Amino acid sequence: AQSVTQPDIHITVSEGASLELRCNYSYGATPYLFWYVQSPGQGLQLLLKYFSGDTLVQGIKGFEAEFKRSQSSFNLRKPSVHWSDAAEYFCAVGARSNTGKLIFGQGTTLQVKP
Amino acid sequence: DAGVTQSPTHLIKTRGQQVTLRCSPISGHKSVSWYQQVLGQGPQFIFQYYEKEERGRGNFPDRFSARQFPNYSSELNVNALLLGDSALYLCASSSGLAGFTGELFFGEGSRLTVL
Repeated sequence: AQSVTQPDIHITVSEGASLELRCNYSYGATPYLFWYVQSPGQGLQLLLKYFSGDTLVQGIKGFEAEFKRSQSSFNLRKPSVHWSDAAEYFCAVGARSNTGKLIFGQGTTLQVKP
Repeated sequence: DAGVTQSPTHLIKTRGQQVTLRCSPISGHKSVSWYQQVLGQGPQFIFQYYEKEERGRGNFPDRFSARQFPNYSSELNVNALLLGDSALYLCASSSGLAGFTGELFFGEGSRLTVL
């Protein structure tokens, strides 16, 4: 079955510390991979995506993610977290033929301590 | 340029009622997808329409239906509401289906509460 697992439901980091959010997926073929961020009461904003090529992808707001095929993972990282990064983060996968039907993980809530 | 717009933003219904949610995609976008996000969970795919044809349906009961109009706007209808239908309903649009044209842009959602 196709699925996305975000093992960490809630993470707290101090401002200025590094961050890594984990994402593992189960999919029949190599999918397209996405990370979205959602602030309270808001829709989803795309942080970054992996389609092909370089397995380390750069996104907005200083985020990056690394696709590891052997581990079926697509972890999100940021070297130095800012208070404004506090939000909910979702990993998602989609078919290469149609990315309108995404499968999302349950999300990781990031709290940033001053 | 306007992003994806959804209406209403909030609504309260009682069990058994029917609801219609509306979505206007980004200008030029021909694909609209609907997602349900229950509190504390990730969004779940409900429907996708492209060029006014249904291109996908998630694992939702027949109480859920949708359509896309000639101007590419879309409506999601839910009949015989249940308490479990309480959720944030997200609409997303894209210019195409795959690759970079398939990138989804999400609206801010319609928050439905069923009492």
